[in-house]
Amino acid sequence: EVQLVQSGAEVKKPGESLKISCKGSGYSFTTYWIGWVRQMPGKGLEWMGIIYPVDSDTRYSPSFQGQVTISADKSISTAYLQWSSLKASDTAMYFCARQGDGGGAFDIWGQGTMVTVSS
Amino acid sequence: QSVLTQPPSASGTPGQRVTISCSGSSSNIGSNTVNWYQQLPGTAPKLLIYSNNQRPSGVPDRFSGSKSGTSASLAISGLQSEDEAHYYCAALDDSLNGWVFGGGTKLTVL
Repeated sequence: EVQLVQSGAEVKKPGESLKISCKGSGYSFTTYWIGWVRQMPGKGLEWMGIIYPVDSDTRYSPSFQGQVTISADKSISTAYLQWSSLKASDTAMYFCARQGDGGGAFDIWGQGTMVTVSS
Repeated sequence: QSVLTQPPSASGTPGQRVTISCSGSSSNIGSNTVNWYQQLPGTAPKLLIYSNNQRPSGVPDRFSGSKSGTSASLAISGLQSEDEAHYYCAALDDSLNGWVFGGGTKLTVL
């Protein structure tokens, strides 16, 4: 089965660092771009950026450039999203998704990782 | 404020046909294909339509998509209670060099 499995929910304090993960299985991980999408509580979807695991070519949304870092370890079929200093406004659900062959649409999604930042 | 504009809500009764619109510009819908996602409550989004009007395997043919100029629409025929969800359109934006989403439409089945 083709799937993306994300790491579990996190509760952090403002200023702390965090790295969440997204592990792919059931397909050739290095062949597809992996994107990250934010969904703040009660809000819509926002594209954050995307990475090509084979060479770690990364693109960021202007809204998230400099705010997060996207990386990947192709040897373990895992993509990452990390923050160096969390803010309360980073509280959200974060989804990873595979950019598939059909028009580049995100065809496989992870289950989501809830990140809560609160003092 | 989302780059793509969708109505915040839509509704219909079982068996009805409903459409959801998505309006963009020449840098996104006008020059790239549109995808639609369905998000059931408490779950991850699911790809519903790609490349304007293509359905992934397993998506019922009750769901259809179309595009004209800088607008797109999703149609759901034979509305069912399980269709109650949020629906999002998305497209690549050449100016932003990345994906943009609509604000989402909450579909209620009355």
